[in-house]
Amino acid sequence: AQSVTQLGSHVSVSEGALVLLRCNYSSSVPPYLFWYVQYPNQGLQLLLKYTSAATLVKGINGFEAEFKKSETSFHLTKPSAHMSDAAEYFCAVRGSSNDYKLSFGAGTTVTVRA
Amino acid sequence: EAQVTQNPRYLITVTGKKLTVTCSQNMNHEYMSWYRQDPGLGLRQIYYSMNVEVTDKGDVPEGYKVSRKEKRNFPLILESPSPNQTSLYFCASSLSTGGGYTFGSGTRLTVV
Repeated sequence: AQSVTQLGSHVSVSEGALVLLRCNYSSSVPPYLFWYVQYPNQGLQLLLKYTSAATLVKGINGFEAEFKKSETSFHLTKPSAHMSDAAEYFCAVRGSSNDYKLSFGAGTTVTVRA
Repeated sequence: EAQVTQNPRYLITVTGKKLTVTCSQNMNHEYMSWYRQDPGLGLRQIYYSMNVEVTDKGDVPEGYKVSRKEKRNFPLILESPSPNQTSLYFCASSLSTGGGYTFGSGTRLTVV
């Protein structure tokens, strides 16, 4: 079975500072990994996904994530935080193309200080 | 516009009164799924469907039913809602080729 662990339920950053959200996965097969963002009172929007191509994945809104098999990690970063990045972020894993189940971490809430 | 549509967005009901939350997608996706979101627990899968007439239990199926009579629709049925089913519910759909899910806007259910 696949699972993910997000380290830190809350992260606070200053506007313009680096955003780093940590995600570690557990999977018995090469995983598909995703980051989703949820703005207040909205559904989940896909930020980026890793599907065994390039290990550094670029997503929307300036976010990127690096797949590190040796560390079983898929951390999300953005070089310079913007006020509009305040949201909840979820890491998720899917075992393979035939594994329809997307398993989510508990989420990390990001606040951005002016 | 490609989307997953859930209705209603908000629902307050009383314990034991049957309800249905509808979900429809216009992307011809094979996979559909229901999740519930609770603080500190992330999203947990309730039921999923791989295609028409093919459904199975997720991690937290107790108290829920689903059906998939048409490819585009995947309603969630609570036969006898209880207060512990108060939650934010999301429907999602996906192609069968390993991509992520597209999510609906959510249904906030309160059972009193």
